[in-house]
Amino acid sequence: QVQLQESGPGLVRSSQTLSLTCTVSGGSISSGDYYWSWIRQPPGKGLEWIGRIYNSGTTYYNASLESRATISVDTSKNQFSLRLRFVTAADTAVYYCARARGHGYSPPGFWGQGTLVTVSS
Amino acid sequence: DIVMTQSPDSLAVSLGERATINCKSSHSVFYSPDNKNFLSWYQQKPGQPPMLLIYWASTRESGVPDRFSGSGSGTDFTLTISSLQAEDAAVYYCQQYYSTVFSFGQGTKLEIK
Repeated sequence: QVQLQESGPGLVRSSQTLSLTCTVSGGSISSGDYYWSWIRQPPGKGLEWIGRIYNSGTTYYNASLESRATISVDTSKNQFSLRLRFVTAADTAVYYCARARGHGYSPPGFWGQGTLVTVSS
Repeated sequence: DIVMTQSPDSLAVSLGERATINCKSSHSVFYSPDNKNFLSWYQQKPGQPPMLLIYWASTRESGVPDRFSGSGSGTDFTLTISSLQAEDAAVYYCQQYYSTVFSFGQGTKLEIK
């Protein structure tokens, strides 16, 4: 069973860049036609989809974040990453990484436990 | 982008009773070549990541109790819990994966009355 674990700084200063990594275990990130996603949840609020990346390198982003977000894959480390530039307090959230449930088009079915990132001024 | 709207925002249901949560999409999520609705439902409990309950609008994920069911097509969908158990208290989200840009509903908080 695939498992995902987020890691990165828990505190980021306003206007800086948030960088998170998701480490995948229980399977190779480069095998299969899966996508790998980032989703976030501000404290006490709902889920916001950030974007996803396929093994081919194809990416799709939430339009509201597209100008600031970059998702990339490092197959040698079995990891994928999120960079979010020019953060503000509104980017304070629990950030989840997730994998598609199955090949091709399917919803996120495997999730990490999430990591809280706080943006401070 | 496709906007997902859930109703109600919260509800309280007695143990053993039926709970119904609705989800409406601003654009149809039915893909006719596959004859499928690209709609899923998640359950989230405090301090935990969301858990996939239903995909393709009505297919239960492995291990999900059969008291959970999904229905609907096109733009209108429903999650039904047939006989509410104490452990079902949670926030429920619908999500569309039809568009290249995925989106979630705002969530519905289900409490035990």
